[in-house]
Amino acid sequence: KAGVTQTPRYLIKTRGQQVTLSCSPISGHRSVSWYQQTPGQGLQFLFEYFSETQRNKGNFPGRFSGRQFSNSRSEMNVSTLELGDSALYLCASSLGQGGREQYFGPGTRLTVT
Amino acid sequence: QQQVKQSPQSLIVQKGGISIINCAYENTAFDYFPWYQQFPGKGPALLIAIRPDVSEKKEGRFTISFNKSAKQFSLHIMDSQPGDSATYFCAASRGSSNTGKLIFGQGTTLQVKP
Repeated sequence: KAGVTQTPRYLIKTRGQQVTLSCSPISGHRSVSWYQQTPGQGLQFLFEYFSETQRNKGNFPGRFSGRQFSNSRSEMNVSTLELGDSALYLCASSLGQGGREQYFGPGTRLTVT
Repeated sequence: QQQVKQSPQSLIVQKGGISIINCAYENTAFDYFPWYQQFPGKGPALLIAIRPDVSEKKEGRFTISFNKSAKQFSLHIMDSQPGDSATYFCAASRGSSNTGKLIFGQGTTLQVKP
């Protein structure tokens, strides 16, 4: 089976712009979670989607949003980018809602200048 | 109560030695404890996981020890190899909330010297 794929892998944006990141889960996996990884804060949970519904949300401002499509693919959007949004954004997929075994993609490296 | 504390921050071990990484948690509602391995430029890879009804789980050279009363768990890497050099993260999640939200420790950078 193919693993979790994320596109694009690298992205450079300017402050104030918005960005959309994409995640395709492992075939058959229906739950997708997003995490932000930075050297200072480590790995932090952003949100989780199952059956096109957001099931849980982390402590991030409303500029961070996401959605899931009927084929389980997911996107996350960050509006009005700030320098502090520079990070590795990771997507993880699992079989069902609240799935424990989460498999991560390679991430999207976002740099905000 | 959501924190998972991981130590040490970095670790240097000789080839063939035992690497030990420790984690402590506060929330007794956590009931799933995975370990992830991350190489530079890659996403974290699920290594091994344990639930609190088991005190130890072994998979190959990797062993998780779990102490429910102390709210601690640790990863032991036996016969450490240079290829094990990576960053290791412990994590925890709560089943009762029916969510896969993982709370991660801060990570341990392991270097195995040849």
